[in-house]
Formats: sequence, C-alpha cells, structure tokens
Amino acid sequence: EVQLVETGGGLIHPGGSLRLSCAPTGISVSHTYMSWVRQAPGKGPEWVSVIYGGGSTFYAESVKGRFTISKDDSKNTVYLQMDGLTHEDTAIYYCARRSDWGSGVAFDIWGQGTRVTVSS
Amino acid sequence: DIQMTQSPPSLSASVGDRVTITCRASQSISTYLNWYQQKPGKAPKLLIYAAFSLQSGVPSRFSGSGSGTYFTLTISSLQPEDIATYYCQETNNNPFAFGGGTKVEIK
Repeated sequence: EVQLVETGGGLIHPGGSLRLSCAPTGISVSHTYMSWVRQAPGKGPEWVSVIYGGGSTFYAESVKGRFTISKDDSKNTVYLQMDGLTHEDTAIYYCARRSDWGSGVAFDIWGQGTRVTVSS
Repeated sequence: DIQMTQSPPSLSASVGDRVTITCRASQSISTYLNWYQQKPGKAPKLLIYAAFSLQSGVPSRFSGSGSGTYFTLTISSLQPEDIATYYCQETNNNPFAFGGGTKVEIK
C-alpha cells in the first residue's frame, strides 16, 4: 500500500523558516511527480509546488522565491524548505503524488498533512 | 490564472436523493478537471479525473460530466457516508486551481 507521511510542521514566528519532509512508502520519488498542496483554515486546497522525478521544480506565485522543494532519492524523501514565512502561510500542508495520464493529471495519493502555524 | 467557481456553496439533501454540484472555469479547460471529496480532518480524496473517469475504488454512484467551462459532479443516490466537502480542480495549466468547495449535508 502506498502511503505518504509528512513531518516538520509547527508554530513559527513571522519571518521564520521551517522544513517539511515527506517520506513515501510504496513509491519511489525518483520516478514520480511529488507535490505539496496546502489548505488554509476554512479554505479550499492550494497547490504550492511540484518536483519531477528528474528534478525539475515549479512553484505557485504566492511562494516563489521563498519556498524551495527538493528531494533526496537515496532517502526517498521530498522536502519543502519554507523561508520568510507570513501569516498567510498558515495552513495544513499535504504531500501528494501527482499522476499523469494522457487525458490529464491528478493528485491521487495524499498524506495526512502537517500543520504550519505562523504567529507572533 | 484560471478561476474555478463552484455552486452551490452548500446543500442539504435526503438519503437516496440525486445530488448535482457544478463547477465553472473562467476559460476553457477541455476535460482537464478533477473532483475530490474531503471529510473533516482528512486529506482530500480523488473521486473523478479527466472530467468523467472514476478513480479506482470509488463507488459508481459518483459520476462526472462536462467539458470546456462547465462541469458537474453527480451523486446518484446520496448515502450518509457521502457527507463531505467536494472540490473541483483544473489541471489545464499550473497552478492547477481548486474551486471553493461545496459542503454536502444530510437533511
């Protein structure tokens, strides 16, 4: 069974940094598109970033220049380094597998999420 | 960026009722449209991808239709376990926007 486990969330002051980790079981990050999706309290999900198996990365405009997605194939782990955090970054952060079909793409496997709270 | 608008924001229906949720895209997205179900305290779960393809393991009472800018998710016979918030998502281009959600409750 494929599972995604996120860790690293917590309470952080504005301007601070945090690194989230996602360790999948049952899939290899070296051959999979892995994404981070966040959900602010009472809001719909928001795609944050994706890293391709080959290492290409893409970001939402709201986090570009502040967040960095990376992976360690040897540890089969994906990371999200978050710098310059603001109150607007407060959310549950989910790791999700992006699957691609000829007819489209979808996030078909999600972790349980890790909560990030930015507050002074 | 493409904007996704869902309606209604919430609905209340009886067990066994046919329920339809709509999703409109601000520009044509062909059939690059997914539907997710989210129960309280849980991660979203993929129900439908590419507008009408049922994800493995999802009950057949769920169905999707539409193309271009107008899409629907239908639950043919509402069950108590379908109580959740449903989101559409376009995947025509990054940032793969989600709709605002439709909360489904039992009357």
